[in-house]
Amino acid sequence: SQQGEEDPQALSIQEGENATMNCSYKTSINNLQWYRQNSGRGLVHLILIRSNEREKHSGRLRVTLDTSKKSSSLLITASRAADTASYFCATEAYKFYFGSGTKLNVKP
Amino acid sequence: DAGVIQSPRHEVTEMGQEVTLRCKPISGHDYLFWYRQTMMRGLELLIYFNNNVPIDDSGMPEDRFSAKMPNASFSTLKIQPSEPRDSAVYFCASSPGHNNEKLFFGSGTQLSVL
Repeated sequence: SQQGEEDPQALSIQEGENATMNCSYKTSINNLQWYRQNSGRGLVHLILIRSNEREKHSGRLRVTLDTSKKSSSLLITASRAADTASYFCATEAYKFYFGSGTKLNVKP
Repeated sequence: DAGVIQSPRHEVTEMGQEVTLRCKPISGHDYLFWYRQTMMRGLELLIYFNNNVPIDDSGMPEDRFSAKMPNASFSTLKIQPSEPRDSAVYFCASSPGHNNEKLFFGSGTQLSVL
């Protein structure tokens, strides 16, 4: 399977702290994307990093990609209670495969 | 743009009944994906279309599941007959095209088969 797998499965932090989530995958990819899902809603795209990129920033989000280790990380800086959601990585190689997600709880 | 529109939002049915889920992708998007989400199995890709043509249906669990895309603005996922283990949230997503394109998800259909 090409599915990405997120780690940890759950993460609980205080507002203002940074949150780091990791994703590992198995095969070659064209790009890797991170999505967010609020409870009871569809997934929303956060950021895309191409296979030839190593790091990308978007606001409070920082994504890294290490194709040699087949892994990626998502860092959310200065977290807010509103960041509470599930976060998924998705690998794209003609199909989009999603991992099982990391449930992030940011306590106010 | 209204985004990807799915209907119904919730569906409760009895085992053995036919269920039809509907999706309207974002105008101009060439790709349409159907996913199923459960606690046990996470997000599973069921099938995807390119320009209304099914490209890969290897994720469709059984012959009871079928999907169609009669035109660029409409797709259906049908389950006949439905079973309790089909209970899940079904998402439709569309994408402008391949090569570094992101997915746009609908709000999903919560299906409960009693």
